[in-house]
Amino acid sequence: DIQMTQSPSSLSASVGDRVTITCRASQSIITYLHWYQQKPGQAPKLLIYTASTLQSGVPSRFSGSGSGTDFTLTISNLQPEDFATYYCQQTFSTFMYTFGQGTKLEL
Amino acid sequence: VQVSESGGGLVQPGGSLRLSCVTSGFNFNSYTLNWVRQIPGKGLQWVSGISSSGASTYYADSVKGRFIISRDNSKSTLYLQMNSLRDEDSAVYYCAKPNDGEALDSWGQGTLVAVSS
Repeated sequence: DIQMTQSPSSLSASVGDRVTITCRASQSIITYLHWYQQKPGQAPKLLIYTASTLQSGVPSRFSGSGSGTDFTLTISNLQPEDFATYYCQQTFSTFMYTFGQGTKLEL
Repeated sequence: VQVSESGGGLVQPGGSLRLSCVTSGFNFNSYTLNWVRQIPGKGLQWVSGISSSGASTYYADSVKGRFIISRDNSKSTLYLQMNSLRDEDSAVYYCAKPNDGEALDSWGQGTLVAVSS
């Protein structure tokens, strides 16, 4: 199975900051990497797919990059509503999808 | 797009439950579908997936041989039959639809399964 490792596990930041979350795959997944945001009591929400494509309706302060094994999610100009948990997910292995362990972004 | 799960509840170890996921707003017959679970306070785990026709099914090793995914394209509904339930199956179960990039772009609100004696 492809293992996904996110870092950091938690991150403290302030409104207006720029933050970066990293996701590393145990083998190349090309760009089959997606990012989700989850708030308490809610389902995950897709932010970025195929490493760098912004999902419709997601603010442009969210961006993704990377290919192969190393990927980043960057949030610029943090807003109060961005404090949540973020997950990466690989879909390179057909129907053997795996998620990272999550990064909790705290104020 | 609307996705809504139901069927969760409290069940004893070794018992069974059948989850349903009713959908609308997209061409159900054209999409693979997935079940993803989350132990409260923990991360996300992909559980099972099914091809658009239902001919191919896939499972995480942790549920293989115990869970059965199926779909009724005439009803736009996805199912998860869960047998031989264990304590570690306790979680919120989400139904999720992929986009063309295979990312999960539509999720239900989840249904809670609690396995306990």
